[in-house]
Amino acid sequence: EVQLVESGGGLVKPGGSLRLSCAASGFTFSTYSMYWVRQAPGKGLEWVSSLSPNSDYIFHADSVKGRFTISRDNAKSSLYLQMNSLRSEDTAVYYCARKSQFDWYFDLWGRGTLVTVSS
Amino acid sequence: QSALTQPASVSGSPGQSITISCTGSSSDVGGYNRVSWYQQYPGKAPKVMIYEVTNRPSGVSYRFSGSKSGNTASLTISGLQAEDEADYYCCSYASSSTWVFGGGTKLTVL
Repeated sequence: EVQLVESGGGLVKPGGSLRLSCAASGFTFSTYSMYWVRQAPGKGLEWVSSLSPNSDYIFHADSVKGRFTISRDNAKSSLYLQMNSLRSEDTAVYYCARKSQFDWYFDLWGRGTLVTVSS
Repeated sequence: QSALTQPASVSGSPGQSITISCTGSSSDVGGYNRVSWYQQYPGKAPKVMIYEVTNRPSGVSYRFSGSKSGNTASLTISGLQAEDEADYYCCSYASSSTWVFGGGTKLTVL
């Protein structure tokens, strides 16, 4: 089955760190650009980070630049998001998403993992 | 990286048509034909309904259509059905290889 499964969310104190993982299956992970998109409780979607198939192009939203780092391990078909210096405004469901190989949209999403930043 | 502007809510009766607008700038919506629309039910992951302004993925109802004029994109749902009640988000590729979403629109089927 073609799917993305996120893990690693949880409760963390402000200033703390967390590493999210996204396990891909059912497709050739190494040929797709991958993304993290988040959604704060009751709020809209927000693009967080992008990563090209070979990790040569990396982009982060200004809101997380310098604090979050996206990475991947193609051998393990896994995507990661290292989140440091977490703030209360980072509280959200974090989705892993795949960009269509040839078109400009996200064609596959995981179910998301909840990150709560609170003291 | 300012969010695209969508109406907070729209509503319509079954069988009617509704249109949701999505306004950005020349750096995103107006600069690229890379606008997509996503449907999201509460507690669920988003699902693409329209991509690259007007294209409908296989499996998505013909009742969903998209368009764009200048810096504003639109999603139209015709023949409204109860199952269409959900949140809808527009999304655009933007300059500097970033992406921006709209604030979301809650569709209520009366």
